[in-house]
Amino acid sequence: ETGVTQSPTHLIKTRGQQVTLRCSSQSGHNTVSWYQQALGQGPQFIFQYYREEENGRGNFPPRFSGLQFPNYSSELNVNALELDDSALYLCASSGRTGEKQYFGPGTRLTVT
Amino acid sequence: QQQVKQSPQSLIVQKGGISIINCAYENTAFDYFPWYQQFPGKGPALLIAIRPDVSEKKEGRFTISFNKSAKQFSLHIMDSQPGDSATYFCAASQGGYQKVTFGTGTKLQVIP
Repeated sequence: ETGVTQSPTHLIKTRGQQVTLRCSSQSGHNTVSWYQQALGQGPQFIFQYYREEENGRGNFPPRFSGLQFPNYSSELNVNALELDDSALYLCASSGRTGEKQYFGPGTRLTVT
Repeated sequence: QQQVKQSPQSLIVQKGGISIINCAYENTAFDYFPWYQQFPGKGPALLIAIRPDVSEKKEGRFTISFNKSAKQFSLHIMDSQPGDSATYFCAASQGGYQKVTFGTGTKLQVIP
């Protein structure tokens, strides 16, 4: 069974740029959630995708957007990067009927 | 708006001792309360979880105690080991909607 994988591991971007982060969900999972974890804080829910549709969103502006593909992998896109976007971005996958979420190792984004 | 409050922020316990982490929630619609363990450079990993119809759940050295009337729950780690040194997050979610609201985390250090 393959776990949740994310790419890239680390990324450095300049303020104003755009970034795309990728996530491959665990085998058999059709739901993907994205979280932002600032240093020393708990993860904050960004949004969730179920069967290629957004299925809920946290308090993040529209410049945070996402996609889910037919194979249930997912992308997180962030436009017009701000310094405060520097964080660890976590992807978690789960089966639709269960609450157990399995997290990937995250992508560390640094905005300078 | 922080819906799950966690304490203490950090905790130092001697090997063999009991580690206790407390959380309180506000939203009475929450019906699933997981605890996550996170090591540096890794994503959170589900440790143990409880539903509000149960007052206690034990898995190995880990026990969740749940007080529905007080809207509080806690994690007890018995016989704490240096390998338990990590950051622990309590969390809560609402049935059918898998957005997980995390606490702010407790950094546990178990000293020999």
